[in-house]
Amino acid sequence: SQTIHQWPATLVQPVGSPLSLECTVEGTSNPNLYWYRQAAGRGLQLLFYSVGIGQISSEVPQNLSASRPQDRQFILSSKKLLLSDSGFYLCAWRRPGLATEQYFGPGTRLTVT
Amino acid sequence: AQKITQTQPGMFVQEKEAVTLDCTYDTSDPSYGLFWYKQPSSGEMIFLIYQGSYDQQNATEGRYSLNFQKARKSANLVISASQLGDSAMYFCAMREEGTGNQFYFGTGTSLTVIP
Repeated sequence: SQTIHQWPATLVQPVGSPLSLECTVEGTSNPNLYWYRQAAGRGLQLLFYSVGIGQISSEVPQNLSASRPQDRQFILSSKKLLLSDSGFYLCAWRRPGLATEQYFGPGTRLTVT
Repeated sequence: AQKITQTQPGMFVQEKEAVTLDCTYDTSDPSYGLFWYKQPSSGEMIFLIYQGSYDQQNATEGRYSLNFQKARKSANLVISASQLGDSAMYFCAMREEGTGNQFYFGTGTSLTVIP
């Protein structure tokens, strides 16, 4: 069966500090991978998605970046965090195809102070 | 324009009753998929049900069914026999074949089941 992991589960970081969130998927190959951010009480904002190693599509220009160094690894990074980066970060995967749903990881709750 | 609209920020339902959560969508792509997700207070997003634009019948998964009205561009989620554990945020989402791998999410509906 497939499993998706995210870490850390919670993170408190000062403004201006770097960020690295990691997401890994097990039990599947060549998944489509996604990073979303959810502000408190809000919907999901798509940040990045990837259809393969080294292939990253950015949906929202900001101080975040993403990388996919391995087939089942997706990393979200920032060189300098802003207060507005606080939120709940969710990673998701899906098999390629129109009718396939996304499966989400447990999320990382980031607070920038 | 919003791709997915959920107009009910909060809903209440009595335990064991049925409830309908509204979702309308906007697309000119003839091929698309509609999804519903549940997000409990723990934060994880749980996939509930899928409806394809070419599906002739409404999707059903256990107590969940999707009332798909293509001409009205609506994809309402119906939860039958509500349980206390159904209390959560519910999100409607859409993926268009023409736009590739993006999913568009609504702002969600908070459902509270009253004992």
